[in-house]
Amino acid sequence: DQQVKQNSPSLSVQEGRISILNCDYTNSMFDYFLWYKKYPAEGPTFLISISSIKDKNEDGRFTVFLNKSAKHLSLHIVPSQPGDSAVYFCAASPVTGANSKLTFGKGITLSVRP
Amino acid sequence: KAGVTQTPRYLIKTRGQQVTLSCSPISGHRSVSWYQQTPGQGLQFLFEYFSETQRNKGNFPGRFSGRQFSNSRSEMNVSTLELGDSALYLCASSWPLAGEQFFGPGTRLTVL
Repeated sequence: DQQVKQNSPSLSVQEGRISILNCDYTNSMFDYFLWYKKYPAEGPTFLISISSIKDKNEDGRFTVFLNKSAKHLSLHIVPSQPGDSAVYFCAASPVTGANSKLTFGKGITLSVRP
Repeated sequence: KAGVTQTPRYLIKTRGQQVTLSCSPISGHRSVSWYQQTPGQGLQFLFEYFSETQRNKGNFPGRFSGRQFSNSRSEMNVSTLELGDSALYLCASSWPLAGEQFFGPGTRLTVL
């Protein structure tokens, strides 16, 4: 049973445009959500997180939106750059601010075309 | 500060064998978590160790085990390897209960 779902396996976007990566979850106990980015042959690197008490968190070009009633979150990258091409994982934790026992989605491969 | 290191980076084993993977966390980090990444399942949580104690465990069979040493270094062991154990095994370290997890580059295990 996939508790964190990233239903679109891939996304292709033109450089300079907005990339929107979506993530849905089923477990209402999740309280803290994170996005990780992964390049080939490297481990995932942390991008941005959001607590369930917020509906938006922004860090430079990256913004995460959380709709708790819909159990949905999204990562917006504006403007998209070729270096953003990577696999993006959505993750969730039952404890705010904690990284214990993260549940990950299967990832979305983002390709940013020059 | 050195990042999370994992050894070996690549490993080839045959069915029925056992394997031990090693992880050295970032200096000062006391929490170490292990994940399995496969194309079909994404990243799945294996277990987490803090102060030499297993604090959390994922839904994996008992063939998967781990331990943590007093210097926070961690090892995971898989016994009686199966073809389906072929995966990238990632280790991540963090301060306990706070802050982001920092991942190592992973160990690519292939079971023939």
